Formats: sequence, structure tokens, C-alpha cells
Amino acid sequence: QVQLQESGPGLVKPSQTLSLTCTVSGDSINNGSYYWSWIRQPAGKGLEWIGRIYISGSTNYNPSLKSRITISVDTSRNQFSLKLSSVTAADTAVYYCARGARDWGQGTLVTVSS
Amino acid sequence: DIQMTQSPSSLSASVGDRVTITCRASQGISNYLAWYQQKPGKVPKLLIYAASTLQSGVPSRLSGSGSGTDFTLTISSLQPEDVATYYCQKYNSAPLTFGGGTKVEIK
Repeated sequence: QVQLQESGPGLVKPSQTLSLTCTVSGDSINNGSYYWSWIRQPAGKGLEWIGRIYISGSTNYNPSLKSRITISVDTSRNQFSLKLSSVTAADTAVYYCARGARDWGQGTLVTVSS
Repeated sequence: DIQMTQSPSSLSASVGDRVTITCRASQGISNYLAWYQQKPGKVPKLLIYAASTLQSGVPSRLSGSGSGTDFTLTISSLQPEDVATYYCQKYNSAPLTFGGGTKVEIK
């Protein structure tokens, strides 16, 4: 059974870059059957799709975040990553990684504050 | 980009009631629609994909229907364990936009 685990700093200063990694176990990230996504959820609010990557390296991003996002994959470590630049308090949220639609990580809270 | 609008944003119903949640796409998305359930403090769980296909293990009292722009999630007989927020998501093409969510409570 596949498992996904988000990791990264829980606190990021305004204007800095948020960096998160999703480590995949129980499946190879080289599995071309899936895309690998990032989704976030501010406290008390709804889900926001951030973007996805295919093993080919092809990416799709949320247009509202596109200028600040980079999603990449590291097949040697069976991981994929999210970088979100120039963060503000509005980027404070629980960040989830996911394989396709069905398999999600537990989420990690990232707070943007000085 | 295609917008996804859910209604109502919240509802309160009695145990045993039939509950219907609507999701409308601003343009046609065929049947590329998924429904998720998120209980408080928990990770979203995929319930339905392809608008009407129940994910394995999901109770049969939940069902989905629709195609094109209008979709519904129905709970045929509301149970206490169905208290949650429900989200639709389009996946015909990026961006994979979520609806705003519908919070379901027990009256």
C-alpha cells in the first residue's frame, strides 16, 4: 500500500521560499500510471489545488500561483518537491501531497510568520 | 479556467434523510469529476470518481450522478458518520479545481 509523507519547515518567514518534500513508499515514483500533486488548505477553509507533476517531468500549475511555484521530482530518492517563493501570511496552510486522486499524505502545517 | 460551484455551502439534516449536494462546472467537463469527504481534522478521502463510480469501500448509500456541467452527490439515508465537508473536483484538464465545499451536519 502506497504511503506519502510530507516534510519541511513548519515556519517560514515572509518573502522567503517555502520548500516541502513528499516521500513516497510502497510504490515507485517512476510508476507512470499516476501524477503527483500538491494541494493546500488554510485553516477553516477549502481545498486549493497547487499543481502536479508527471514522471516525464511535465507539470501543471494553478494559474493563481504559477509565477511562484516549482514542482520537481527526484526519482533516485522516490520523492517529489514543492517550492513556493515570496510567501506571505496568505500561504499559511496545511499542505498535502497526493498520488493521483486517491492517495494522500497526512498533511503538514506551514505557517508564514516573522 | 473552469470554475466549480457547490451548493449549498452547508446543510443540516436529520438521520435517515436523503441529502443532495450539487456541483456545477462553468464549462462542460464530461464526467471527469470526483467527490471527496473530509471529516474534521482528517485527510480528504476520495468517494467517487468519473462522476458516478464509487471508490472501493465507500458505503452504497452514497452515489454520484451527472455529466457535462451539472453533478450531484446523494446520501440516500444520512448517518452520523457522514458528518463532514464534501468537495467536488474536476480533472478533465489542469487546473484541477475544487469546489468550495459543502458542510453536512446532523439536525
